[in-house]
Order: sequence, then structure tokens, then C-alpha cells
Amino acid sequence: GDSVTQMEGPVTLSEEAFLTINCTYTATGYPSLFWYVQYPGEGLQLLLKATKADDKGSNKGFEATYRKETTSFHLEKGSVQVSDSAVYFCALLYSGTYKYIFGTGTRLKVLA
Amino acid sequence: DVKVTQSSRYLVKRTGEKVFLECVQDMDHENMFWYRQDPGLGLRLIYFSYDVKMKEKGDIPEGYSVSREKKERFSLILESASTNQTSMYLCASTEGVNEQFFGPGTRLTVL
Repeated sequence: GDSVTQMEGPVTLSEEAFLTINCTYTATGYPSLFWYVQYPGEGLQLLLKATKADDKGSNKGFEATYRKETTSFHLEKGSVQVSDSAVYFCALLYSGTYKYIFGTGTRLKVLA
Repeated sequence: DVKVTQSSRYLVKRTGEKVFLECVQDMDHENMFWYRQDPGLGLRLIYFSYDVKMKEKGDIPEGYSVSREKKERFSLILESASTNQTSMYLCASTEGVNEQFFGPGTRLTVL
């Protein structure tokens, strides 16, 4: 069945370090792909999305490119801040359906 | 600013109690969802509703029921709470097939 796999956390980085959080998916069609972020004590909020192959989503310095050939949607940021400490979820959604499939989440800790 | 609110941030109940979790959205969205979030398991869909009085089971509906009498309100009901239902519960809403807007979550502890 369809699934989303994220790298295990926690990921611990120093401030201004480069961030990559890997996400790969298994899907029979061409879903839309999303990254959501959950700050401590809050619900999830959309960080960025891409709806078709080779699309790049970007927001707040984060980027991710929809790679159909490698079925991946890795999240990157060039210079992380302490305020980026959160849990990041990769997710997919098929057009015409309501059901999201979420990864298990990756916790990021950024140290000053 | 769009908003999804949940009735409680923290809730403590006893085994066997009937528990109601309420969710309200102010965006006039058609679709509403209930998830539970557990460490290492991510988000798992319990139920969703695509219209008033309409519902569909998600991946883990056992032990839960839902009610949607008005478009803006979606309730999750634990008929007889058990300790294995201790979890974080997240409500979300969306218009069509699109970004989901989440509430802040209810952390439920069943003793």
C-alpha cells in the first residue's frame, strides 16, 4: 500500500547548520506532497507543498523538490535557527481523495 | 485568520468513562478529520467527515465514534475509555482536496 518513510530522529544541529530531512514515498499514482511542522504544544501547520513532479515548494527558508524518479521529497534549509526546533511531518495526498498519509515525523533540535 | 479549536488542551479520565472531544472550525470547510498522534507512529486517521451527518472510518476506528450535526463542529466520542486510548488527539479541516488546518490538540490521559 501507499506509505511515507521519514528518517528517524531526533536530528540535533547547531545554529546555522545545513538541514536535510529525508522523505521517500511509495505510491501507485501521482500524489501531492507536503511538509507539515509541529512546534511544541501546537497542532500541525503546513510548511510547504508540491503538486507535481519537479515542483519545488518553499517557505521560511525551507525547500523541497518533488522527485518522481527517486520518489522523494527531502526537506532542506541552508541555515537553521533555534526557532526551527520542532517535529516535521512528510505527507502525501491523492487528487480526488481526502485521505492524507503521514510519515512518522522527525524531531529537529537546534542548539544555540 | 483561519481557526480550528478543540474543547480541551488536557483531559484526564477514568477507564470506562464516556469521553467527548469537540472540534470547531470557522472556515466553512466541508471536510473534518480526527487523528491520534503517538510517538513513533505519527498521525493515524480515526474518522473523517465530508459533510454534515456523513462520516467514514479511517485506519483505527475501533473504540471510537463521531458526530457531525453542524458543518462547523465535529465530535469524537470514546464510548468506554481505555488506557490504550491515552494519546494526543488532533482535529483538522480542509476545503476540498487541499491543505489541512489543524487544531492545537487534546492530550488525553485515561487512568
